[in-house]
Amino acid sequence: EMQMVESGGGVVRPGGSLRLSCAASGFTFDDYGMIWVRRAPGKGLEWVSYINWNGGSTGYADSVKGRFTISRDNAKNSLYLQMNSLSAEDTALYHCARVHYGDYVAWFDPWGQGTLVTVSS
Amino acid sequence: DIQMTQSPSSLSASAGDRVTITCRASQSITNYLNWYQQKPGKGPKLLIYAASSLHSGVPSRFSGSGSGTDFTLTISSLQPEDFATYYCQQSYTTPWTFGQGTKVEIK
Repeated sequence: EMQMVESGGGVVRPGGSLRLSCAASGFTFDDYGMIWVRRAPGKGLEWVSYINWNGGSTGYADSVKGRFTISRDNAKNSLYLQMNSLSAEDTALYHCARVHYGDYVAWFDPWGQGTLVTVSS
Repeated sequence: DIQMTQSPSSLSASAGDRVTITCRASQSITNYLNWYQQKPGKGPKLLIYAASSLHSGVPSRFSGSGSGTDFTLTISSLQPEDFATYYCQQSYTTPWTFGQGTKVEIK
């Protein structure tokens, strides 16, 4: 069974840093790109970042560019998100997900349950 | 960025009802449109990819249609386990963007 399990969330002060992890299992991890998506309280889903299969290509939403860094360790079947200079606007449930391509269309499956990041003084 | 607009934002329906959710893109995205279901405390689940392809294991009461800028998710006969929030998402270009969600509630 394919599974994604996020960890590393918590409460952090504004301006602080946090590193999220995502452990993948049930599929060949280094065959796929991966993403982080977040859902702030009372809001919808927002794509945060993307990394390709070997880490050679990454992308970020404008809202996190320059502050967040996505990375992966294929030997450990793990995805990471280093978050710096956090602000209240980054408070959200963060999900990781696998990117699947078919006929140039990309979709996200499966997803993890998420890890909660709260930025508060 | 491509804006995705869903309607309605919420709806109340009874088990057995036919439910339709629409999603409109701010520019043509051909068929680069996916639908997800999310329940409280859970990660989203893929329902439909490429506008009309049913994801493996998803019940056939779910269907998707549309192309260009206008898309529809239909639940032919609402079941108790279908009460959730539904999102559309475009993968035509980055940043990949989602609709604001449609919450389906019990009437």
